[in-house]
Amino acid sequence: QSALTQPASVSGSPGQSITISCTGTSSDVGGYNYVSWYQQHPGKAPKVMIYDVNNRPSGVSNRFSGSKSGNTASLTISGLQAEDEADYYCSSYARSTSLHVIFGGGTKLTVL
Amino acid sequence: QVQLVESGGGLVKPGGSLRLSCAASGFTFSDYYMSWIRQAPGKGLEAISYSSTSGNIKYYADYVKGRFTISRDNAKNTLSLQMNSLRVEDTAVYYCARAAGIVGASPHWFDPWGQGTLVTVSS
Repeated sequence: QSALTQPASVSGSPGQSITISCTGTSSDVGGYNYVSWYQQHPGKAPKVMIYDVNNRPSGVSNRFSGSKSGNTASLTISGLQAEDEADYYCSSYARSTSLHVIFGGGTKLTVL
Repeated sequence: QVQLVESGGGLVKPGGSLRLSCAASGFTFSDYYMSWIRQAPGKGLEAISYSSTSGNIKYYADYVKGRFTISRDNAKNTLSLQMNSLRVEDTAVYYCARAAGIVGASPHWFDPWGQGTLVTVSS
């Protein structure tokens, strides 16, 4: 099964809001409310920012929010800050895959 | 605090073997499913294996099935990945991650992740 589809890059200026999309199918993103988002700075381990579509783990800024419509999930970052510059990956429960989880190809966020 | 520390990576020739370890601390290791997730250089993430709390349920991605074996020692709070018949395409940073969300018997989100250990398969 192919990875979830994310834009290769997005950019925004400090203070602005940006949205990263994550498109799958009815067998993954569209079929379940089990989408998560990870932030990864260069050379660092991924960190979960959103789970179950729109839930933030303790300690994650409320500038990060998630949503889903049909087969596409979205991560929105408001009040963009320099430290938000990183790679972002979505993932989804995917019953038909061997490990039941599938990741997106990643999006590079540049803060201008 | 919750911590995962991987070790065992290195340079190995195609066809060779390597054993990765992940030392867990700061939480009750035996209460959680655990996973290995890898990231090839400049590429995205891909889950390769996970183990249930007792180790009796193990799943593998198709491309490592039969070559990799996941195991855990709950007494030592350690997760391992035995990698045999390594291929050039197995070159990646390998992360150990705790399963934070479970659907049925399958993890679907992971927190936290270790810092990763680099495996390079090259002649």
